[in-house]
Amino acid sequence: SQTIHQWPATLVQPVGSPLSLECTVEGTSNPNLYWYRQAAGRGLQLLFYSVGIGQISSEVPQNLSASRPQDRQFILSSKKLLLSDSGFYLCAWSVTGRSYEQYFGPGTRLTVT
Amino acid sequence: EDQVTQSPEALRLQEGESSSLNCSYTVSGLRGLFWYRQDPGKGPEFLFTLYSAGEEKEKERLKATLTKKESFLHITAPKPEDSATYLCAVQEIGGSQGNLIFGKGTKLSVKP
Repeated sequence: SQTIHQWPATLVQPVGSPLSLECTVEGTSNPNLYWYRQAAGRGLQLLFYSVGIGQISSEVPQNLSASRPQDRQFILSSKKLLLSDSGFYLCAWSVTGRSYEQYFGPGTRLTVT
Repeated sequence: EDQVTQSPEALRLQEGESSSLNCSYTVSGLRGLFWYRQDPGKGPEFLFTLYSAGEEKEKERLKATLTKKESFLHITAPKPEDSATYLCAVQEIGGSQGNLIFGKGTKLSVKP
């Protein structure tokens, strides 16, 4: 069966510090991978998606970037965090060629102080 | 204007009191509509996918239905463990690959 991991689970970072969140998927090959942000009172917002190694598409302009160095690894980064980057970050995967059902990881709660 | 609107924002039920959650959407072409359950501090858990009007899916006390403009999540004889936020999402034909458009959710509380 497939499993998805995210770490860290929680993170408190000062404004201006760098960020690296990691997501890995087990039990499947060449998945589509996604990064979402969930802010209080708002729906989930798609930040990035990837259909393969090194292939990243960005949905919204922002202070963040994503990379996919390995087939089942997806990384969300920032060089300098802003207060507005606080939120709940979720990684998700779906079967290649079918961007239908997406399956989410446990999430990372990021607080920028 | 939001493309996916869920109502009510919050719903309180007594154990055993059946009810429905609504998800209305305004995308031009629907590829699929998805229901998720999210517990506090956790990632959403996939429940159902609906593809065409008239389709129904069931899982335990939950039943999802779809029309051309909205979807309902019916909860029959709910139990306290059904308490969670229920999220609806749609995937639009011609939209960015994999882009699910989410509603803000309905927070369900079931009291014993």
